[in-house]
Order: sequence, then structure tokens, then C-alpha cells
Amino acid sequence: SQKIEQNSEALNIQEGKTATLTCNYTNYSPAYLQWYRQDPGRGPVFLLLIRENEKEKRKERLKVTFDTTLKQSLFHITASQPADSATYLCAQSGGSYIPTFGRGTSLIVHP
Amino acid sequence: GAGVSQSPSNKVTEKGKDVELRCDPISGHTALYWYRQSLGQGLEFLIYFQGNSAPDKSGLPSDRFSAERTGGSVSTLTIQRTQQEDSAVYLCASSLGNSADTQYFGPGTRLTVL
Repeated sequence: SQKIEQNSEALNIQEGKTATLTCNYTNYSPAYLQWYRQDPGRGPVFLLLIRENEKEKRKERLKVTFDTTLKQSLFHITASQPADSATYLCAQSGGSYIPTFGRGTSLIVHP
Repeated sequence: GAGVSQSPSNKVTEKGKDVELRCDPISGHTALYWYRQSLGQGLEFLIYFQGNSAPDKSGLPSDRFSAERTGGSVSTLTIQRTQQEDSAVYLCASSLGNSADTQYFGPGTRLTVL
């Protein structure tokens, strides 16, 4: 079955640097990959969706890439700020109406 | 407009008791999902409702878990004879119903079974 893998170790970076988070899938290429942000005690909030035939998608300081050869999506936050500190979840969808979520990676941006 | 709401926000219960968790989706969203999230774990799919179709219950962990959605809107997740391993945050999400659609999540209900 399809698995979505994200680095379980927290990513610590300095304010102003670019944060890069990784999402790997194990089997078939999903039609869509979505990225969500989750703050403690809250539900996930949608950030970006990228389609299988898209290489890159941008929104303000956010950029997502989709590499079907590497079976990987990268999520970048440029000019990171302490307010960007949160857990970021990757999810695949398209094969069915039920998305599969990764466990998420915690990002900590230090001032 | 209003987002997805869930109640209660916190629920503490004793082992063996039944609990009901409620979800109010965004108006007009035909798809509704229930997930469970344990500490440090990812989102575990429980059940999916789409319009008037029969729900996809493939994620329910045992027959102690059930859910219904009345009138295509409000949903209730019921856990009977709760166990300590049921302790988790239960999240509800709704969407317009296509597989590419954004899921809008509620704040969750934190369930603690003593």
C-alpha cells in the first residue's frame, strides 16, 4: 500500500534562512500532493497542492516541487520567520477520495 | 463564513463508558472525514461520508466505533465501551467532494480515557 514518509526529526533553522522539508512516497505516483500546516492544539490548515504533471508550485514565500523520478516532494519556506514554526504534513490523494497523510515534520525557526 | 466546528473540545471519560463526538462541517461541503491523531503520530483515517452514498468505514479500528451523518450535514462519531488506547485527538474535516479538493479541518476533540 502507498505510504507517505516524512522526516520525524525536527528541523531547526535560523530566522531568514530557507527551510526545506521532504515528503517521500513509496509506490505509485499520486495524482496530487498536498501540504498542510498544523499548530499545537489545532487542526491542519491547507497550504498548497501540486499535481503530478506539475514540477513546481509557488505561493508567496512557499514553494513545492514534485519529482516523480525520485518519488519525492520538497516544501520550501524562504526567508523563514519564527511564526513559521509548526508541524508540516504532506498528504497524497487522487487514487481514491481518502488522502493518506504523513506523520509530519516539526519546523522550529530560531530568532 | 464559519469553518468546521467540533464539540466538545475536550472529553475525559472513564474506561468502559460511551462517548459521542460531534462535527459541524462547512455548509455545502458534501464530503466529511473523521481522523484520529495520537501523540506524535500521523492522521489515521477512520470514516468518510460523501453525499447520500454509503460511508466508507474501512478505517474504523473496531466495532466499538461508529459514525453517522444526518441530513448530509452534522456528523456524530460514537465510541462504545471506551478503552485507554482510544485516547487521542479526533479530527473532522470537510471538502467539496473531489479528490483534489482542499480538506478543511475542525479544531479536534481531545479524548482522554482514564
